[in-house]
Amino acid sequence: GNSVTQMEGPVTLSEEAFLTINCTYTATGYPSLFWYVQYPGEGLQLLLKATKADDKGSNKGFEATYRKETTSFHLEKGSVQVSDSAVYFCALPLRTGANNLFFGTGTRLTVIP
Amino acid sequence: DGGITQSPKYLFRKEGQNVTLSCEQNLNHDAMYWYRQDPGQGLRLIYYSQIVNDFQKGDIAEGYSVSREKKESFPLTVTSAQKNPTAFYLCASSIQGAQYNEQFFGPGTRLTVL
Repeated sequence: GNSVTQMEGPVTLSEEAFLTINCTYTATGYPSLFWYVQYPGEGLQLLLKATKADDKGSNKGFEATYRKETTSFHLEKGSVQVSDSAVYFCALPLRTGANNLFFGTGTRLTVIP
Repeated sequence: DGGITQSPKYLFRKEGQNVTLSCEQNLNHDAMYWYRQDPGQGLRLIYYSQIVNDFQKGDIAEGYSVSREKKESFPLTVTSAQKNPTAFYLCASSIQGAQYNEQFFGPGTRLTVL
């Protein structure tokens, strides 16, 4: 089945620093790709998604581009805030057309003032 | 507002007792899922259901049971056979067969077995 490999954390950044969290995928075809965010003590929320190759997903200042050449979907933000402190998960469907998702292991981000 | 509710948020049980975690959704989604999350780890799939009265085991189903008698509800029972039940449990739902496969999550239940 499909899978993702996600950059291990934790990541600690100062406020207004640039963020990159790496995610590479292994898949048959070109499935949708997702980034989810989990704030402390909460469930996961969809942060952004890309449904086909070369698409860019964006939300709340975060961006990720679906790159088939490098099989990557790295998460970026130009200027992080303390409120961005959370765990970030990369995910994709287990198989084409499947509802079940494969989640990466998560990357914990801490932003310090 | 549409969404997924899980109750309770915190649950404490004595070792050897069965406990049932509630999950309700009003999104009219056909598919529902239960995940377990341990500290510093990712999500592991326990059970999922694609339609009422049907469900399948996930990666770590041993010691757990589910039912899907209604579209809106997918309760999870943690039985005494589960060796290490203390964890954060997340319920999710999605549109069955949707092209984009997005899952919507509830706020989670933190279970502590004493």
